[in-house]
Amino acid sequence: LAKTTQPISMDSYEGQEVNITCSHNNIATNDYITWYQQFPSQGPRFIIQGYKTKVTNEVASLFIPADRKSSTLSLPRVSLSDTAVYYCLVGDFYNQGGKLIFGQGTELSVKP
Amino acid sequence: GAGVSQSPSNKVTEKGKDVELRCDPISGHTALYWYRQRLGQGLEFLIYFQGNSAPDKSGLPSDRFSAERTGESVSTLTIQRTQQEDSAVYLCASSLEPRKVWTRSYNEQFFGPGTRLTVL
Repeated sequence: LAKTTQPISMDSYEGQEVNITCSHNNIATNDYITWYQQFPSQGPRFIIQGYKTKVTNEVASLFIPADRKSSTLSLPRVSLSDTAVYYCLVGDFYNQGGKLIFGQGTELSVKP
Repeated sequence: GAGVSQSPSNKVTEKGKDVELRCDPISGHTALYWYRQRLGQGLEFLIYFQGNSAPDKSGLPSDRFSAERTGESVSTLTIQRTQQEDSAVYLCASSLEPRKVWTRSYNEQFFGPGTRLTVL
């Protein structure tokens, strides 16, 4: 399983763009990259998933360079409600039976 | 529609007692997962059900932990002879049957709010 490394914490201010980078140097060919968000006292929630290049949805963008050894979650114009822990997950989720392997995550604090 | 629900939301028990935690997945979701989250930590996988079968129990930390699923619906996680190190939030998630080529509608897991277990 690919090990992921991401910053433990980040601070930002309302209205700023936030970029959280995750390193996964030993990513395998069949591995996908998925990001989850977890608010206090809640279960995690899916944000975005990608395999290569750039993916964008209504919530965030995910940038994946050609070598796929890292990925960057980009949150445009954050608000106070984006304060949460963000998890980067890498794996061949199908052959893992779908189970998710979570690391420590990045605790994002958005200030007014 | 209704999301994943778990009960109880909080459980305080004494060391050595047995506890049962319940998960009601989203209707129609064939895959069900249990995770544990200790304070300030990421989630640890415990067990995976596809239908009523559990092809992956690799995350269960000891034989004091067991789980079952009936009717391809409700699942119960049982912890026997609880220990203080079992204190954590136990989270359940469900999804449709995962696809090899990642497809959000099939592979996305929806989590419940969790059961906070405190063992005194």
